Amino acid sequence: GDSVTQMEGPVTLSEEAFLTINCTYTATGYPSLFWYVQYPGEGLQLLLKATKADDKGSNKGFEATYRKETTSFHLEKGSVQVSDSAVYFCALRSGGSNYKLTFGKGTLLTVNP
Amino acid sequence: GAGVSQTPSNKVTEKGKYVELRCDPISGHTALYWYRQSLGQGPEFLIYFQGTGAADDSGLPNDRFFAVRPEGSVSTLKIQRTERGDSAVYLCASSWGGGATDTQYFGPGTRLTVL
Repeated sequence: GDSVTQMEGPVTLSEEAFLTINCTYTATGYPSLFWYVQYPGEGLQLLLKATKADDKGSNKGFEATYRKETTSFHLEKGSVQVSDSAVYFCALRSGGSNYKLTFGKGTLLTVNP
Repeated sequence: GAGVSQTPSNKVTEKGKYVELRCDPISGHTALYWYRQSLGQGPEFLIYFQGTGAADDSGLPNDRFFAVRPEGSVSTLKIQRTERGDSAVYLCASSWGGGATDTQYFGPGTRLTVL
């Protein structure tokens, strides 16, 4: 079945540091890939998405590229801010049941000033 | 505009009791989803509604769990004979349709604690 594996947290960085959160997946067919973010006390929000191989999703300075050959969708940001502190979830939606999101376990990011 | 809302935000109950969790989707969204998020885990799919009907309930863990959406808007997740293992955050999401390109918008969740 479908599954998502993302790097274990927590991740602690200083402000302006470079961020990478790894995500790999297993899925049937050609899934759509997502990064969701959950800020403290808030609901899950879509951060970015990519729907086909080699697509790059981007938002708020975050980027992720859909790599079919390595089944990966790593999240990156060149310079993190304290306000980026949150839990980040990688997720997929596969063609077989394209309404259902399959999530990774989440990675807690803390950015210190 | 208003997002997805869920009530209550917190629910504490005793083992064996019955609970109902409510979800108000974004107005006009035909698709509604329930997920469950256990501590330290990502959300797991429970059930998907398209309009009034449950199009996929394959994620419901057992027959103690049931969900309805009688008028195609508000949905209620019902849990009978609660067990301690049911303790989790229950998330509701809605989208315009149920297609692959539709973004799912999540509510803040209901934290259920079964003592």
